[in-house]
Amino acid sequence: EAGVTQSPTHLIKTRGQQATLRCSPISGHTSVYWYQQALGLGLQFLLWYDEGEERNRGNFPPRFSGRQFPNYSSELNVNALELEDSALYLCASSSTGEDHQPQHFGDGTRLSIL
Amino acid sequence: KNEVEQSPQNLTAQEGEFITINCSYSVGISALHWLQQHPGGGIVSLFMLSSGKKKHGRLIATINIQEKHSSLHITASHPRDSAVYICAVVSNYQLIWGAGTKLIIKP
Repeated sequence: EAGVTQSPTHLIKTRGQQATLRCSPISGHTSVYWYQQALGLGLQFLLWYDEGEERNRGNFPPRFSGRQFPNYSSELNVNALELEDSALYLCASSSTGEDHQPQHFGDGTRLSIL
Repeated sequence: KNEVEQSPQNLTAQEGEFITINCSYSVGISALHWLQQHPGGGIVSLFMLSSGKKKHGRLIATINIQEKHSSLHITASHPRDSAVYICAVVSNYQLIWGAGTKLIIKP
């Protein structure tokens, strides 16, 4: 069974640009979660999508947005990139949105802002 | 002293045994995670707790906020439960990780 896949592995942008990160969940999973792991700050919750809709959002500005497609894959968009957006962005999927369902993590996208 | 301490560091048991892994923390937290890491690195979130007890299949997680302690129990353990189990707490918007407990279940 293929796990959660994220692309690209690495992404280099400059300040002010826009970045798009992609995530394919495990087959059969309908919930996708996005996390940011910045240096020294640990894992911070960004967004939760379930059945195509945004269900919850962490404490991030509106320039962090995303969507979930009919096939349950998801995109995270970050507009007007700032230096502090440099981080590892992790995507996770679970079979439902209930919070006791295990989340399976991808390997992440390393976003570097120059 | 680490802010999140797990015990034991290593645990080997026979199939079918009841397993308990403990996590103690010294900081104020808003939530506690139990995670499972299989060989090869894939991390699976098992539970997120802020109070009480949660159960999922053969796994049970409890937390005592007053005592700053959480336990992860595995009933009727199986060799496929062999993995590293990690406790991580959310404190001041940071995730603080324990060192992990390496569990081996022998057939």
